Amino acid sequence: DGGITQSPKYLFRKEGQNVTLSCEQNLNHDAMYWYRQDPGQGLRLIYYSQIVNDFQKGDIAEGYSVSREKKESFPLTVTSAQKNPTAFYLCASMGGALLDQPQHFGDGTRLSIL
Amino acid sequence: GQQLNQSPQSMFIQEGEDVSMNCTSSSIFNTWLWYKQDPGEGPVLLIALYKAGELTSNGRLTAQFGITRKDSFLNISASIPSDVGIYFCAGLISSNTGKLIFGQGTTLQVKP
Repeated sequence: DGGITQSPKYLFRKEGQNVTLSCEQNLNHDAMYWYRQDPGQGLRLIYYSQIVNDFQKGDIAEGYSVSREKKESFPLTVTSAQKNPTAFYLCASMGGALLDQPQHFGDGTRLSIL
Repeated sequence: GQQLNQSPQSMFIQEGEDVSMNCTSSSIFNTWLWYKQDPGEGPVLLIALYKAGELTSNGRLTAQFGITRKDSFLNISASIPSDVGIYFCAGLISSNTGKLIFGQGTTLQVKP
């Protein structure tokens, strides 16, 4: 089945540790996005990528890094510089010649601090 | 910056009742989207609106793209327990980047 796979489902981070969240899609979509969701808030954009080997900062990029070496993959690293990493992280992708098609989401990774 | 104001923040209703929620913005959008999120899962698209004044239905759900392009509403008729979840509106900021801005969400609880 086509879709977006995020892993792991749950992740724990120790102080000073970098952790990487995986996002893979087999929808052949060019654009991919990472969002952070906190309780009672909407989704906030961390980073996005419109094409392989290119990515742009979103609204809350500080303390995060990404790479886009393959079309199918857009991993997010939560660095030790992110002092409040506990949140639900969602990856999305979008295809189409015009980027006005709806984004499709994975099932998220919940990150907590040990 | 751009903001979407979604209301109400939460609703607790009886099964069978109709529900209405809306989003407003000071900015104009060319595309409005409505998503539903179940606990521990990613949002799932319910309805996409592409034209001002457009009224679109998906089963018991109906959404409208406001004529001013600054607002949208979602109605759910004859609610059932599986309608429970968080509903988000989203406006497309740029069709060049595909960037969306999301409302804060409406949490819906349905009492059987």
